[in-house]
Amino acid sequence: SQQGEEDPQALSIQEGENATMNCSYKTSINNLQWYRQNSGRGLVHLILIRSNEREKHSGRLRVTLDTSKKSSSLLITASRAADTASYFCATSDQGAQKLVFGQGTRLTINP
Amino acid sequence: DAGITQSPRHKVTETGTPVTLRCHQTENHRYMYWYRQDPGHGLRLIHYSYGVKDTDKGEVSDGYSVSRSKTEDFLLTLESATSSQTSVYFCAISEWQGAQGGELFFGEGSRLTVL
Repeated sequence: SQQGEEDPQALSIQEGENATMNCSYKTSINNLQWYRQNSGRGLVHLILIRSNEREKHSGRLRVTLDTSKKSSSLLITASRAADTASYFCATSDQGAQKLVFGQGTRLTINP
Repeated sequence: DAGITQSPRHKVTETGTPVTLRCHQTENHRYMYWYRQDPGHGLRLIHYSYGVKDTDKGEVSDGYSVSRSKTEDFLLTLESATSSQTSVYFCAISEWQGAQGGELFFGEGSRLTVL
């Protein structure tokens, strides 16, 4: 079964707007990661946030983690057409050396 | 880009035939993974390896076997392909750092169609 579940499944916004995607998970984790997948390509790592961190930034990306609610959010600010992709959260359980992925959010940025 | 090569990139085969997908890395990473991606299911882990000849099952391992005789190669074998194994298969590598975790670097995928 999937550990992470993203919400919404699909999101369509205008270029320049902010995009927020959410991820919920079920068990205690060591860290949570976000990946991007362009159509027909492999996944690319965006950001990793550890269980003892609450917020992390990388360029136009902002990730938050709330371990009490077992949830994370990915915010992309000032979106661009090139941000059109699917975004996945992934978690690693404590003691595991592997990632479990959610089903992803399909983000479409309209010019 | 991380040096990961998957082969073949596309394959069409018939039910009941054996299929082997190969993942080759030039990064000398210890961990290698095979995932499958299907609509509505995201990515699901099939098997992974934490060293030469050291492998473990993922959540959807039935019908699949793996082998890793060298650090750089991780093979995924479907002993007798079924239509339910039609999917896109991704290999990934990582230098996992214990509790610190690690990012995964993905190959470009192998699209398998079982008729």
